Amino acid sequence: GIQVEQSPPDLILQEGANSTLRCNFSDSVNNLQWFHQNPWGQLINLFYIPSGTKQNGRLSATTVATERYSLLYISSSQTTDSGVYFCAVEPSNSGYALNFGKGTSLLVTP
Amino acid sequence: EAQVTQNPRYLITVTGKKLTVTCSQNMNHEYMSWYRQDPGLGLRQIYYSMNVEVTDKGDVPEGYKVSRKEKRNFPLILESPSPNQTSLYFCASSLSSGTLEAFFGQGTRLTVV
Repeated sequence: GIQVEQSPPDLILQEGANSTLRCNFSDSVNNLQWFHQNPWGQLINLFYIPSGTKQNGRLSATTVATERYSLLYISSSQTTDSGVYFCAVEPSNSGYALNFGKGTSLLVTP
Repeated sequence: EAQVTQNPRYLITVTGKKLTVTCSQNMNHEYMSWYRQDPGLGLRQIYYSMNVEVTDKGDVPEGYKVSRKEKRNFPLILESPSPNQTSLYFCASSLSSGTLEAFFGQGTRLTVV
């Protein structure tokens, strides 16, 4: 099946710092989403971004489908950004399930 | 507000006692699915449904049942829960499979003792 690799696995930032999270995938995809899992376990949709670039406030994402990677940018980080960030993809040739990466665990300290 | 609603949010039960986790969406989505999340294993799909009365197994269906009698509801049934089904469960829906954004419920933390 498709491989989804996220880096870095862990990240500690001071409040106000910027960061880039990366997601590599091994095959072509129809769907790519970024999620934030907060400390209460809820999965929050950040971006639906199978290709191109999107921005939402301090967060932005870029997916280069032809090179099979996506980047999530967090600027001016806040303590509320802490949690785990997941990339999930749905392969083009075998749909019906989102395949999740292992996530990047982010801790933003005051 | 567009949402996927799961109930209960937390449940502690005993081995063998049948339980149902409900999932309801108000977005008229055709596609719904269930995932479980376990440390070290990540999120894995249990079952999915392409539409009413159409369901199929995901990666880890053993020990679970589902039904899709109405478009908005997709309950997950554990007929005889066992401790290895202790997990965080998520229901998800999207307009259709493959090309459109998936939305997740709040999650259900299940502990089987």
